[in-house]
Amino acid sequence: SQELEQSPQSLIVQEGKNLTINCTSSKTLYGLYWYKQKYGEGLIFLMMLQKGGEEKSHEKITAKLDEKKQQSSLHITASQPSHAGTYLCGADQAGTALIFGKGTTLSVSS
Amino acid sequence: GAGVSQTPSNKVTEKGKYVELRCDPISGHTALYWYRQSLGQGPEFLIYFQGTGAADDSGLPNDRFFAVRPEGSVSTLKIQRTERGDSAVYLCASSSDRVGEQFFGPGTRLTVL
Repeated sequence: SQELEQSPQSLIVQEGKNLTINCTSSKTLYGLYWYKQKYGEGLIFLMMLQKGGEEKSHEKITAKLDEKKQQSSLHITASQPSHAGTYLCGADQAGTALIFGKGTTLSVSS
Repeated sequence: GAGVSQTPSNKVTEKGKYVELRCDPISGHTALYWYRQSLGQGPEFLIYFQGTGAADDSGLPNDRFFAVRPEGSVSTLKIQRTERGDSAVYLCASSSDRVGEQFFGPGTRLTVL
């Protein structure tokens, strides 16, 4: 079965700094989703990537899927306290449910 | 329009009791998913509905867990003879297609004492 590994597990950055979160799959990714979760809340959709080499940006967050479609990265530029939370990558399993990594918890200190 | 809603937001029960968790998806979404999330883990798939039928229930841990979606809209996750290990946040998501963005509800936090 497919597994997703996220790194780092947790991250503390100073406000204004850039950061990158990685998601590595044990199998080829056919759809890779990034979600953000705040404690006690549901998941908020950020971006979906499907094609090798694809890159998408929304505000200060950029997500990329590598050419081999086995690794994705999420990059945040000039982090703000509002970026704090847990970031989860999810993989599409043959068009049914998603499998998720364990998440990366981001704290932003001001 | 309204997002995915789940009730109750919190449920505390005693070991051995029966519980029902409700999910109200976004209107018109044909696909509905149940996930379970334990502390420090990502959501774990339980069951997926396409319309009224369970298209994939391979994630249900055992026969104490059951879910229905009789009219293709609201879904209920039912857990019989609850155990302490069932304590987790139960998340529901819906989507307009079987592939694509899933919209998640806020979850139901289940605590089994």
